Parts: sequence; C-alpha cells; structure tokens
Amino acid sequence: GAVVSQHPSWVICKSGTSVKIECRSLDFQATTMFWYRQFPKQSLMLMATSNEGSKATYEQGVEKDKFLINHASLTLSTLTVTSAHPEDSSFYICSARALGQGGTEAFFGQGTRLTVV
Amino acid sequence: GNSVTQMEGPVTLSEEAFLTINCTYTATGYPSLFWYVQYPGEGLQLLLKATKADDKGSNKGFEATYRKETTSFHLEKGSVQVSDSAVYFCALSTDNNNDMRFGAGTRLTVKP
Repeated sequence: GAVVSQHPSWVICKSGTSVKIECRSLDFQATTMFWYRQFPKQSLMLMATSNEGSKATYEQGVEKDKFLINHASLTLSTLTVTSAHPEDSSFYICSARALGQGGTEAFFGQGTRLTVV
Repeated sequence: GNSVTQMEGPVTLSEEAFLTINCTYTATGYPSLFWYVQYPGEGLQLLLKATKADDKGSNKGFEATYRKETTSFHLEKGSVQVSDSAVYFCALSTDNNNDMRFGAGTRLTVKP
C-alpha cells in the first residue's frame, strides 16, 4: 500500500516553544491530509483537514492559531504547535488519501509523540 | 452526520478464543467501511475494508461483512493469538465527504 511518512516520531520541547511535525506522502499525491490527536487509551480526534493550496479546515474546539497547518504541496503537510504547553503533550497522527479517491482507505503516518516539559 | 459506534473495551481473551468486536454506523450516502489496527506506540494500519453492501473484507484471519440492513461491520476472528493484542478502530468514509470517521477504539488483550 501507499506510504505516509511522519517526522519526527517523538519530540520533547520546553514550554513556550514551537514544534513542527511533517507529514509526507511518499509514493502518491494527496490533495487532502488529516491531522489527528490521540490521548492515552482514547480514540483519534480529528483536529483539522489540510487542503493543498488553501486554508485548513479546523474541527470545532481546535485553536487554529495554536495548531498551524500548512499544505504547501501535494506530498507535504506540516502541523506546527505554537507556544506549546504541557497540556499539548499528546500523540499526533497524520493521514492522507490518494488524489480523487474520497471513498477509499486513508494511509497513516507512524505518529509523533510530543512531550512538553 | 456520519458516525461510528464501536463496542467498548477493553476485551481480554485467552489465546485461540473467538473474537467479535461490534461496530455500527450512521452515514449519508454509501459509505466505505474499514477496520484499522494500532499496535503500541505506532500509527494505524489498515486491517481490512469493504466498499459496498454484502462485501466481506478479510485479512490475517480477521473478517468483517458490510451489512447495510443492520448498518453494521462487526470484526471477527476464529482463533486469536497473543500477537493480535492491539487497539482496533472501526471507521467509515463516503465519496462526498473527504474525511474519515472513527469509532472509539477497542483495546484487545490476548493472554497465553
């Protein structure tokens, strides 16, 4: 199947700093990528939908100024957690679908464990 | 809107036991249905899928049948192994809705 690469797999940062997480589709083009957050022993919470060349669509309750999403090309989306605080510590996962295939499966990155100290 | 309701866990079974994890859905249009598996510290991997009514998805001994009449997509395996211990997510997507909706996840622990 298609491969989605997420980087870094884990990061520790100081409170108040910003962290960027990259999500790349390695062997297909993705007009849309999705960013999820997962708390321990809980399900995935969709944070936002990242659209290539346009603004991201954020789910209700997600602060767009805190979680900046950029989808600069058909193979790369980035999530930047700005002014991170300990409550932002979580597991972040991205996913992508192949171009024009809304009903088929999504491919997931391996996730990024963010710890804010 | 689209949603998925999944059997709550955790589920603990002995090796070689039969597994069922229930999943029902609500959707407009004609959804595709999926089961994903997440091993500790990893992202999600597609386990199986079904794209239309009465389709059966299968992989690694797991099966699920797309039942439109009961809006269900229950996951089954006849004989689980310790290596099947993971969290299982039921999910759906529709052609006119680009995102994917997930159930709450069911944690399965298989004991030797």
